[in-house]
Parts: sequence; C-alpha cells; structure tokens
Amino acid sequence: NAGVTQTPKFQVLKTGQSMTLQCAQDMNHEYMSWYRQDPGMGLRLIHYSVGAGITDQGEVPNGYNVSRSTTEDFPLRLLSAAPSQTSVYFCASSDGIRDSPYGYTFGSGTRLTVV
Amino acid sequence: LAKTTQPISMDSYEGQEVNITCSHNNIATNDYITWYQQFPSQGPRFIIQGYKTKVTNEVASLFIPADRKSSTLSLPRVSLSDTAVYYCLVGVPNAGNNRKLIWGLGTSLAVNP
Repeated sequence: NAGVTQTPKFQVLKTGQSMTLQCAQDMNHEYMSWYRQDPGMGLRLIHYSVGAGITDQGEVPNGYNVSRSTTEDFPLRLLSAAPSQTSVYFCASSDGIRDSPYGYTFGSGTRLTVV
Repeated sequence: LAKTTQPISMDSYEGQEVNITCSHNNIATNDYITWYQQFPSQGPRFIIQGYKTKVTNEVASLFIPADRKSSTLSLPRVSLSDTAVYYCLVGVPNAGNNRKLIWGLGTSLAVNP
C-alpha cells in the first residue's frame, strides 16, 4: 500500500516557467489537499478537494491551479513560477474532511526552488 | 485572531516523559485536536487525535481540559528516534458555518542520550 505518492521529489525552475506537481493516493480517500511549508510559517493550505470534480481555495491559492478528475489524482500546477513559490510542497489525503479518526496521510514532499 | 501556540523547542533525555502543550484559544465546538510528528525531509505523520478528556494509543497520550482551549501531547519514555517536530492542528470557526483548520508552528523536540 503506497499511500500518498508525490513526484518529483526535487525541482528547480526558472522564473516564469510552468510545471505540475503530481500527487496520487491509493486509499480511495475523498479529501485531498496541497500545503506549502516555509520556515517560520508552518503549513499553509493552498487548495483542497472534497471529491472528484470539486476543488476549492485554501489560505494561499494565488499562483496555483488544481483539478480533480479522478479520486486518486490531485495535481498542482504553477502557471508562471516566481521566487516566492520556493518552498516544500506536501500533498495530503483523508477519508473525511476533518473528523477522520486517523487524520491526514501526507506524501513525502516536493522541494521546489525557483531561481 | 484565531491561532495556536506551541513552544518553539524542547530538550529532553532518553527515558524521560515529554509533555508538549498547544494553546488554541478559539477552537470550534465540534472539532477534534490532532497532533502530528515530522522528521526532516518527510511529510507530517499522524500521532493522535482527541475531542475531550484523555486519549491514549500505543505511542502517546493526549490530555484535553474541559474548556478545550489547550491540549497536551505526552510522550512516555522518549528515545533518540523521537527527535522530530511536533504540530498541533485544530479547527476554528470561520465565515458562515465554515470551519478553518489552524496548524501550530511546531515544537522541535531534541532527545539527547
């Protein structure tokens, strides 16, 4: 059972480039989300989805797009990378929005550097 | 402004009990309190979740007072492998009937030999 798989693990982009961070889960979880983690800022929610075809913005959505065409996949797109998007990105899933007795399952992260 | 507050860092020694307290002054009535552990270069990992009083599992205990404005994660007899960052997560009331999840900034626990 792989859990939550994120690719790539590391990425360097030039300012203005675009890319997609991939996230896939094999636990049939309805809820999936993207966080960014920065020193001194903790975990901040970017976008989330409560099921296939349904997405919504989190705390820091600007500069990021998401879609949810299947239960398993929840890619995060950076349309025009900026240095302020240098961060570690985590994908998480859950079988309930907040009240799952087992909480969220996180991927191992993507470390993104924008130069 | 709803927020959670945790100590930035703590030091301990192998075999000791460690208690990490998180203050959450505006927790939503029906929301749980959840604690996560994070090792370097890994995503956070669920440790324990509770609503009120005390919850215990194989790795930790969670103590929640009646007013639920704080919670204490208790790690019994820590070992070197417990060196990590520990986060609390709570839900707070948001606009309308929504709730917003608030993460603490994390407590960096260093366990020494």
